[in-house]
Amino acid sequence: DVKVTQSSRYLVKRTGEKVFLECVQDMDHENMFWYRQDPGLGLRLIYFSYDVKMKEKGDIPEGYSVSREKKERFSLILESASTNQTSMYLCASSTSGHGDIQYFGAGTRLSVL
Amino acid sequence: GNSVTQMEGPVTLSEEAFLTINCTYTATGYPSLFWYVQYPGEGLQLLLKATKADDKGSNKGFEATYRKETTSFHLEKGSVQVSDSAVYFCALSAGSSNTGKLIFGQGTTLQVKP
Repeated sequence: DVKVTQSSRYLVKRTGEKVFLECVQDMDHENMFWYRQDPGLGLRLIYFSYDVKMKEKGDIPEGYSVSREKKERFSLILESASTNQTSMYLCASSTSGHGDIQYFGAGTRLSVL
Repeated sequence: GNSVTQMEGPVTLSEEAFLTINCTYTATGYPSLFWYVQYPGEGLQLLLKATKADDKGSNKGFEATYRKETTSFHLEKGSVQVSDSAVYFCALSAGSSNTGKLIFGQGTTLQVKP
Protein backbone atom coordinates (compact mmCIF):
# COMPACT_ATOMS: atom_id res chain seq x y z
CA ASP A 1 0.00 0.00 0.00
CA VAL A 2 1.05 3.54 -0.70
CA LYS A 3 1.97 5.38 2.43
CA VAL A 4 2.23 9.13 2.86
CA THR A 5 3.41 10.08 6.33
CA GLN A 6 3.19 13.53 7.85
CA SER A 7 5.52 14.06 10.76
CA SER A 8 3.01 15.57 13.19
CA ARG A 9 -0.75 15.25 13.67
CA TYR A 10 -1.00 18.36 15.85
CA LEU A 11 1.27 21.37 16.23
CA VAL A 12 0.96 24.51 18.31
CA LYS A 13 3.27 27.39 17.44
CA ARG A 14 3.58 31.05 18.31
CA THR A 15 3.26 33.99 15.94
CA GLY A 16 6.56 34.73 14.24
CA GLU A 17 8.04 31.25 14.68
CA LYS A 18 9.52 29.38 11.73
CA VAL A 19 7.54 26.17 11.23
CA PHE A 20 8.50 23.04 9.31
CA LEU A 21 5.93 20.48 8.20
CA GLU A 22 7.44 17.28 6.87
CA CYS A 23 5.97 14.73 4.48
CA VAL A 24 7.46 11.42 3.32
CA GLN A 25 6.08 9.01 0.70
CA ASP A 26 7.26 5.47 0.07
CA MET A 27 6.08 4.84 -3.50
CA ASP A 28 8.74 6.62 -5.55
CA HIS A 29 6.16 9.13 -6.79
CA GLU A 30 7.35 12.03 -8.91
CA ASN A 31 4.73 14.52 -7.76
CA MET A 32 4.15 15.82 -4.27
CA PHE A 33 1.65 18.43 -3.08
CA TRP A 34 0.86 20.59 -0.08
CA TYR A 35 -2.73 21.72 0.53
CA ARG A 36 -4.47 23.56 3.29
CA GLN A 37 -8.01 22.63 4.22
CA ASP A 38 -10.40 25.15 5.74
CA PRO A 39 -14.14 24.76 6.38
CA GLY A 40 -16.23 25.86 3.42
CA LEU A 41 -13.17 26.36 1.21
CA GLY A 42 -12.25 22.78 0.43
CA LEU A 43 -8.62 22.02 -0.38
CA ARG A 44 -6.44 24.79 -1.73
CA LEU A 45 -3.08 24.03 -3.29
CA ILE A 46 -0.13 25.82 -1.70
CA TYR A 47 2.82 24.35 -3.63
CA PHE A 48 3.62 21.27 -5.61
CA SER A 49 6.77 19.59 -6.81
CA TYR A 50 7.14 17.40 -9.90
CA ASP A 51 10.76 16.38 -9.33
CA VAL A 52 13.61 16.76 -6.88
CA LYS A 53 14.50 20.41 -6.39
CA MET A 54 11.62 21.44 -8.71
CA LYS A 55 8.62 23.32 -7.38
CA GLU A 56 5.73 25.41 -8.59
CA LYS A 57 3.42 27.76 -6.80
CA GLY A 58 -0.14 26.73 -6.30
CA ASP A 59 -3.12 28.94 -5.65
CA ILE A 60 -2.12 30.33 -2.24
CA PRO A 61 1.71 30.34 -1.91
CA GLU A 62 2.04 33.60 0.01
CA GLY A 63 3.71 33.12 3.38
CA TYR A 64 4.94 29.63 2.52
CA SER A 65 7.97 28.02 0.94
CA VAL A 66 8.87 24.41 0.19
CA SER A 67 11.90 22.18 -0.10
CA ARG A 68 12.40 18.93 -1.95
CA GLU A 69 15.96 17.71 -1.62
CA LYS A 70 15.09 14.01 -1.93
CA LYS A 71 12.39 12.39 -4.02
CA GLU A 72 10.55 10.90 -1.06
CA ARG A 73 10.45 14.01 1.13
CA PHE A 74 8.60 17.30 0.67
CA SER A 75 8.73 19.97 3.34
CA LEU A 76 6.45 22.95 3.83
CA ILE A 77 7.97 25.94 5.60
CA LEU A 78 6.16 28.82 7.24
CA GLU A 79 8.89 31.45 7.42
CA SER A 80 7.11 33.54 10.08
CA ALA A 81 3.90 31.93 11.26
CA SER A 82 0.80 34.07 11.56
CA THR A 83 -2.59 33.39 13.12
CA ASN A 84 -4.26 33.24 9.68
CA GLN A 85 -2.13 30.18 8.92
CA THR A 86 -3.98 28.18 11.54
CA SER A 87 -5.39 25.34 9.47
CA MET A 88 -5.27 21.68 8.54
CA TYR A 89 -2.36 20.92 6.20
CA LEU A 90 -2.49 17.91 3.91
CA CYS A 91 0.34 16.39 1.92
CA ALA A 92 -0.24 14.19 -1.13
CA SER A 93 1.79 12.35 -3.74
CA SER A 94 1.10 10.89 -7.17
CA THR A 95 2.79 9.54 -10.28
CA SER A 96 3.30 11.95 -13.15
CA GLY A 97 0.48 10.81 -15.44
CA HIS A 98 -2.50 12.97 -16.28
CA GLY A 99 -5.45 12.01 -14.13
CA ASP A 100 -3.47 9.83 -11.75
CA ILE A 101 -4.65 9.25 -8.21
CA GLN A 102 -3.29 11.40 -5.41
CA TYR A 103 -2.52 9.65 -2.13
CA PHE A 104 -2.89 11.69 1.04
CA GLY A 105 -1.32 11.79 4.45
CA ALA A 106 -3.46 12.01 7.59
CA GLY A 107 -2.91 15.75 7.91
CA THR A 108 -1.29 18.14 10.38
CA ARG A 109 -3.55 20.43 12.35
CA LEU A 110 -1.54 23.57 13.01
CA SER A 111 -2.58 26.20 15.53
CA VAL A 112 -0.70 29.50 15.56
CA LEU A 113 -1.25 31.48 18.74
CA GLY B 1 -10.46 28.54 -15.68
CA ASN B 2 -11.13 25.08 -14.32
CA SER B 3 -13.44 24.78 -11.33
CA VAL B 4 -15.62 22.35 -9.39
CA THR B 5 -18.87 23.16 -7.62
CA GLN B 6 -20.48 20.83 -5.10
CA MET B 7 -23.79 21.06 -3.33
CA GLU B 8 -23.53 22.64 0.07
CA GLY B 9 -23.83 20.54 3.14
CA PRO B 10 -24.27 19.25 5.62
CA VAL B 11 -26.44 16.47 4.29
CA THR B 12 -28.21 14.51 7.01
CA LEU B 13 -29.85 11.19 6.15
CA SER B 14 -31.28 8.22 7.96
CA GLU B 15 -29.65 4.84 7.52
CA GLU B 16 -30.71 3.05 4.30
CA ALA B 17 -31.76 6.32 2.61
CA PHE B 18 -30.76 7.16 -0.96
CA LEU B 19 -27.86 9.57 -1.35
CA THR B 20 -27.11 12.08 -4.09
CA ILE B 21 -24.34 14.66 -3.84
CA ASN B 22 -24.28 16.97 -6.84
CA CYS B 23 -21.07 17.99 -8.54
CA THR B 24 -20.66 20.14 -11.64
CA TYR B 25 -17.47 21.29 -13.26
CA THR B 26 -15.99 23.79 -15.69
CA ALA B 27 -12.95 22.66 -17.61
CA THR B 28 -11.09 22.96 -20.88
CA GLY B 29 -10.03 19.80 -22.62
CA TYR B 30 -10.98 16.37 -21.31
CA PRO B 31 -10.42 16.15 -17.58
CA SER B 32 -10.58 13.05 -15.45
CA LEU B 33 -13.08 13.27 -12.59
CA PHE B 34 -12.77 11.95 -9.05
CA TRP B 35 -14.62 11.55 -5.81
CA TYR B 36 -12.51 11.49 -2.65
CA VAL B 37 -13.75 10.75 0.86
CA GLN B 38 -12.37 11.97 4.17
CA TYR B 39 -13.38 10.03 7.27
CA PRO B 40 -13.11 11.81 10.63
CA GLY B 41 -9.51 12.35 11.68
CA GLU B 42 -8.05 11.02 8.44
CA GLY B 43 -6.67 12.29 5.16
CA LEU B 44 -8.50 11.98 1.85
CA GLN B 45 -8.72 8.71 0.01
CA LEU B 46 -9.95 7.97 -3.48
CA LEU B 47 -13.52 6.69 -3.63
CA LEU B 48 -13.94 6.41 -7.40
CA LYS B 49 -12.87 7.97 -10.69
CA ALA B 50 -13.88 8.27 -14.34
CA THR B 51 -11.56 9.23 -17.15
CA LYS B 52 -13.84 9.89 -20.11
CA ALA B 53 -17.39 10.83 -21.02
CA ASP B 54 -20.09 8.27 -20.12
CA ASP B 55 -17.69 6.31 -17.90
CA LYS B 56 -19.18 5.16 -14.62
CA GLY B 57 -16.95 4.92 -11.57
CA SER B 58 -18.07 2.70 -8.72
CA ASN B 59 -16.78 1.53 -5.34
CA LYS B 60 -18.29 0.43 -2.00
CA GLY B 61 -21.82 0.85 -3.39
CA PHE B 62 -21.16 4.42 -4.55
CA GLU B 63 -21.48 5.35 -8.24
CA ALA B 64 -20.92 8.42 -10.39
CA THR B 65 -21.27 8.86 -14.16
CA TYR B 66 -19.17 11.32 -16.18
CA ARG B 67 -21.76 13.42 -18.06
CA LYS B 68 -20.05 15.71 -20.52
CA GLU B 69 -23.31 17.16 -21.88
CA THR B 70 -24.29 18.45 -18.42
CA THR B 71 -20.70 18.80 -17.10
CA SER B 72 -21.68 16.79 -14.04
CA PHE B 73 -20.36 13.93 -11.93
CA HIS B 74 -23.00 13.37 -9.26
CA LEU B 75 -22.29 10.85 -6.50
CA GLU B 76 -25.03 8.34 -5.63
CA LYS B 77 -25.56 5.47 -3.25
CA GLY B 78 -28.71 3.44 -2.95
CA SER B 79 -28.62 2.75 0.78
CA VAL B 80 -26.30 4.67 3.10
CA GLN B 81 -24.88 3.36 6.36
CA VAL B 82 -23.73 5.15 9.49
CA SER B 83 -20.17 4.28 8.49
CA ASP B 84 -20.56 6.44 5.35
CA SER B 85 -20.57 9.58 7.50
CA ALA B 86 -17.66 11.62 6.13
CA VAL B 87 -16.74 14.60 3.98
CA TYR B 88 -16.94 13.98 0.22
CA PHE B 89 -14.88 15.95 -2.30
CA CYS B 90 -15.40 16.10 -6.03
CA ALA B 91 -12.26 16.86 -8.05
CA LEU B 92 -10.98 17.13 -11.60
CA SER B 93 -7.57 16.77 -13.14
CA ALA B 94 -6.15 19.96 -14.52
CA GLY B 95 -6.43 19.29 -18.22
CA SER B 96 -3.54 19.01 -20.63
CA SER B 97 -0.51 19.09 -18.36
CA ASN B 98 1.10 16.06 -16.82
CA THR B 99 1.65 17.56 -13.41
CA GLY B 100 -1.09 15.50 -11.76
CA LYS B 101 -2.70 18.60 -10.25
CA LEU B 102 -6.27 18.29 -9.05
CA ILE B 103 -8.89 20.96 -8.49
CA PHE B 104 -11.23 20.22 -5.60
CA GLY B 105 -14.73 21.30 -4.76
CA GLN B 106 -15.44 22.69 -1.32
CA GLY B 107 -16.53 19.35 0.14
CA THR B 108 -19.91 18.08 1.31
CA THR B 109 -20.36 16.71 4.81
CA LEU B 110 -22.62 13.67 5.07
CA GLN B 111 -24.05 12.60 8.40
CA VAL B 112 -25.99 9.35 8.54
CA LYS B 113 -28.15 8.71 11.60
CA PRO B 114 -29.15 5.23 12.78
